Amino acid sequence: QSVLTQPPSASGTPGQRITISCSGSNSNIGSNTVNWYQQVPGTAPQLLIYNNDQRPSGVPYRFSGSKSGTSASLAISGLQSEDEADYYCAAWDDSLNGLWVFGGGTKLTVL
Amino acid sequence: EVQLVESGGGLVQPGGSLRLSCAASGFTFSSYWMSWVRQAPGKGLEWVANIKQDESEKNYVDSVKGRFTISRDNAKNSLYLQMNSLRAEDTAVYYCVRDVRQGYNSMVRGRVITSYYYYMDVWGKGTTVTVSS
Repeated sequence: QSVLTQPPSASGTPGQRITISCSGSNSNIGSNTVNWYQQVPGTAPQLLIYNNDQRPSGVPYRFSGSKSGTSASLAISGLQSEDEADYYCAAWDDSLNGLWVFGGGTKLTVL
Repeated sequence: EVQLVESGGGLVQPGGSLRLSCAASGFTFSSYWMSWVRQAPGKGLEWVANIKQDESEKNYVDSVKGRFTISRDNAKNSLYLQMNSLRAEDTAVYYCVRDVRQGYNSMVRGRVITSYYYYMDVWGKGTTVTVSS
């Protein structure tokens, strides 16, 4: 059971816009910024979005993030076949001495 | 090029020990927090531990407290994870990750307040640990 809640799967057709949700609590998303990672099976995760809505250099504009209260969303517009991957949200949690928490991951299928 | 390379994984019996290493290059290692994150076969990501630049702060997920120890050697640009009393559920790919704490200032009622946002931005390729008899 992950601390952050994501839907286990999502799908879309090429060119479509999809969103993936991430729900947390006051101690994590409610208090800190949200990051998103993309993981192609068999490879290491890569940072996709940090500080709720910032894209690292090299990440296409098609990827965007937002946060409101204790929830966050990742949007992918103009879906492409190479976007098929697992997506994870993460946030620092201020509970106890602090720890990183992740969502369970969302498997995106491009139909 | 910023790079993290893990080593030390392998097959170990339940109750055994293993020491993972991570060699960092391409950035000032001593300026960053560092983390270990693991991924069990077919499962999601789980943060394991992190360590402050000067080792004055270390945090662990509850499931490894008392069994795992994170450490670093800034002179060697290296991060370590000593894993003792290993269990089958510790079987996973272990990733070494750069852990960023970005500070920013804001004015609150006429006073400058420093806040931080956190993210993990550079990941190694991982090393596989299998705990089995």
